[in-house]
Amino acid sequence: NAGVTQTPKFQVLKTGQSMTLQCAQDMNHEYMSWYRQDPGMGLRLIHYSVGAGITDQGEVPNGYNVSRSTTEDFPLRLLSAAPSQTSVYFCASSYSIGTDTQYFGPGTRLTVL
Amino acid sequence: DAKTTQPPSMDCAEGRAANLPCNHSTISGNEYVYWYRQIHSQGPQYIIHGLKNNETNEMASLIITEDRKSSTLILPHATLRDTAVYYCIVRVPREDGNEKLTFGTGTRLTIIP
Repeated sequence: NAGVTQTPKFQVLKTGQSMTLQCAQDMNHEYMSWYRQDPGMGLRLIHYSVGAGITDQGEVPNGYNVSRSTTEDFPLRLLSAAPSQTSVYFCASSYSIGTDTQYFGPGTRLTVL
Repeated sequence: DAKTTQPPSMDCAEGRAANLPCNHSTISGNEYVYWYRQIHSQGPQYIIHGLKNNETNEMASLIITEDRKSSTLILPHATLRDTAVYYCIVRVPREDGNEKLTFGTGTRLTIIP
């Protein structure tokens, strides 16, 4: 298994540009989520999905959209990038909600100029 | 979720046991203790978790005091690859998917050759 994969690893955007961060898992996990990690802030939940076709907002959802058309994929869309969205983004998955172990992807380092 | 307190940094000699403490004096009866680690520039990695009893897996051991107000993560034979930031998290597994994995600042463990 490849586990949780994320692309791209690095991205630089200009303010106002849009882009999609890709996340995929091959473990048949129902639960997937997106976090951002900023220095001194720890991890903050952006959006999550408890299964294909179901998504919901986390702690910091503004400026981001998600969709879950398949069990495997959970892309994160930045609608109009802002410098405040400069961060490292992690995708995570787990077998089901409320379970113990979340598996994290390697992260995408995003810089918005 | 209960707050945790960890020392900001620790050193350990390669091959020795690394003992990482965590205080969680406000833990409630249904909250679990989880440990994750984050190696530089990588996604967080699950290590172990427990509720009341001591736990052991292929990576580590978790010792929880009888009053559950503190715990210790033990890496039995530390290697250079164990150099990372270790996070102690206390949480109740959510059934609605809205996870809030508050990682805090953790303990930066450095393994010394």
